Amino acid sequence: EDQVTQSPEALRLQEGESSSLNCSYTVSGLRGLFWYRQDPGKGPEFLFTLYSAGEEKEKERLKATLTKKESFLHITAPKPEDSATYLCAVHHNNNDMRFGAGTRLTVKP
Amino acid sequence: DAGVIQSPRHEVTEMGQEVTLRCKPISGHNSLFWYRQTMMRGLELLIYFNNNVPIDDSGMPEDRFSAKMPNASFSTLKIQPSEPRDSAVYFCASGTGLGHQPQHFGDGTRLSIL
Repeated sequence: EDQVTQSPEALRLQEGESSSLNCSYTVSGLRGLFWYRQDPGKGPEFLFTLYSAGEEKEKERLKATLTKKESFLHITAPKPEDSATYLCAVHHNNNDMRFGAGTRLTVKP
Repeated sequence: DAGVIQSPRHEVTEMGQEVTLRCKPISGHNSLFWYRQTMMRGLELLIYFNNNVPIDDSGMPEDRFSAKMPNASFSTLKIQPSEPRDSAVYFCASGTGLGHQPQHFGDGTRLSIL
């Protein structure tokens, strides 16, 4: 069964404390893996697309990586404004777009 | 640049009433997606259109749900009759491909069915 699993469900960090979020997937024929950020009361905001194992993308304090079974979103020296829910989504062979449940990140000053 | 515009932002109605949610995609985008988000099930794809044509509606939960896209700048999601379990946040997103490209989301319609 196609699944997208994100861990941890929630993560609390001190400002400046680097960490990583995980997105593991079991789908056939990955066509793209997406990371989104969602703030309360808002729609998801696109961050990155990764297409093949070994690919990496960076934006400010965020870096996304992809292997054949999972993706990581690394957050370096986070700030309170990085607090949000981070969603990963997988587009695969049958044209389905499947989202994980998200990781709720809180960065305390 | 205007993003995806959804209306209304909030809707509260009684069970059995018809509900119509509206979406204006980003100009130039040829794909449009309707999602539903709940605490229990997360974000679920309901239906998507490409060039105004419905491509896959397998995520639509029941026949009570229907979606239309009469032109490139407007789409509706209708629930008739509505039930309390339809309460959720409904998002519309648009993009330039069939999922290969990033999707741009509106801020959603928070629907409460009493």
